[in-house]
Amino acid sequence: KAGVTQTPRYLIKTRGQQVTLSCSPISGHRSVSWYQQTPGQGLQFLFEYFSETQRNKGNFPGRFSGRQFSNSRSEMNVSTLELGDSALYLCASTPLPQVYEQYFGPGTRLTVT
Amino acid sequence: DQQVKQNSPSLSVQEGRISILNCDYTNSMFDYFLWYKKYPAEGPTFLISISSIKDKNEDGRFTVFLNKSAKHLSLHIVPSQPGDSAVYFCAASHFSGGSNYKLTFGKGTLLTVNP
Repeated sequence: KAGVTQTPRYLIKTRGQQVTLSCSPISGHRSVSWYQQTPGQGLQFLFEYFSETQRNKGNFPGRFSGRQFSNSRSEMNVSTLELGDSALYLCASTPLPQVYEQYFGPGTRLTVT
Repeated sequence: DQQVKQNSPSLSVQEGRISILNCDYTNSMFDYFLWYKKYPAEGPTFLISISSIKDKNEDGRFTVFLNKSAKHLSLHIVPSQPGDSAVYFCAASHFSGGSNYKLTFGKGTLLTVNP
């Protein structure tokens, strides 16, 4: 099976812009979660989707949003980018939300200048 | 409030010796604990897990120990190999009122295994 794929892998944006990141889960996986990784904070949970519904949300401002499509692919959007949004954004999928082990993609490295 | 803590940012061991990575948690609602390994430019990879009803789980060279009374878990790698050099994340799951689970991660420990 192909693993979790994320596009793009690298992205450079300017403050104030918005960005959309994409995640394709492992085939058959229906739950998708997003995490932000920064050197100082480690991995922080952003949100989780299952069957096109957001079921969990982390402690991030409303500038961070996401959605899931009927084929389980997911996108996350960050509007009005700030310098502090520079991070590695990781997507993870599981077959069902009850499965604890999550399978991560390689991440999208976002740099905001 | 950091609910999962890995107090050692880095650890260096000799090849063939034991590596012990530690993790503390504060939330007594956590019911499942996981360890992930992360190489540069890759996403974290699941390594081993343990349920709160157990105190030990072993998988080859990797063993995780859970001490619920101390809210402490540890990952033992025996024997350590240079290929084990990576960042290790401790994570905990939190039952949040339905069938939803999210992972709360520690900040990671960089393990370096020297040949």
